Amino acid sequence: DTGVSQDPRHKITKRGQNVTFRCDPISEHNRLYWYRQTLGQGPEFLTYFQNEAQLEKSRLLSDRFSAERPKGSFSTLEIQRTEQGDSAMYLCASSKAGQQETQYFGPGTRLLVL
Amino acid sequence: AQSVTQLGSHVSVSEGALVLLRCNYSSSVPPYLFWYVQYPNQGLQLLLKYTSAATLVKGINGFEAEFKKSETSFHLTKPSAHMSDAAEYFCAVTGGGNKLTFGTGTQLKVEL
Repeated sequence: DTGVSQDPRHKITKRGQNVTFRCDPISEHNRLYWYRQTLGQGPEFLTYFQNEAQLEKSRLLSDRFSAERPKGSFSTLEIQRTEQGDSAMYLCASSKAGQQETQYFGPGTRLLVL
Repeated sequence: AQSVTQLGSHVSVSEGALVLLRCNYSSSVPPYLFWYVQYPNQGLQLLLKYTSAATLVKGINGFEAEFKKSETSFHLTKPSAHMSDAAEYFCAVTGGGNKLTFGTGTQLKVEL
């Protein structure tokens, strides 16, 4: 299987700009998750999709964050009006029906907001 | 609700020595437990998982972990450390197969 892929791998932006990240899950994985990891911490859950439906959102996901998975395949995570506190690694994971508990992670997108 | 506590943010061992990384969990439902490894500037790689089958779980790269319900623990071990094992290790728990809750990680250093 091709693993989870994320694009871009690195993004540097200025405060106030909008950024968008893309995640392509493992083929035929119906669930897709987004996590955020700050320096020295474990990943924290942001949101997840089952097919195209967004089933849960964390309180960490402020109004400036939006995630979509329009056709149940790839997903995008957009951050509007970025703030320095948004600087983090954004990780995507996917899992398949019958083994939903086992998530496979992509390489992450590292965001730096100046 | 679930939570994970990893004791020891940094662990240092000599090459060839036993590796022991500690994880204690809390879960209101029967848990699924995982260990992931993260190399610098990379994503997380699944090492092993416990999903209510055998309590002693073997994973990749010679790692194994034992689920002990009475101690609410899921410690990770490897009999003989290798330089390539130097990385950050995360324990994680999920109750219903949805979101993972991670510990704060343990940085493993392997010395010659």
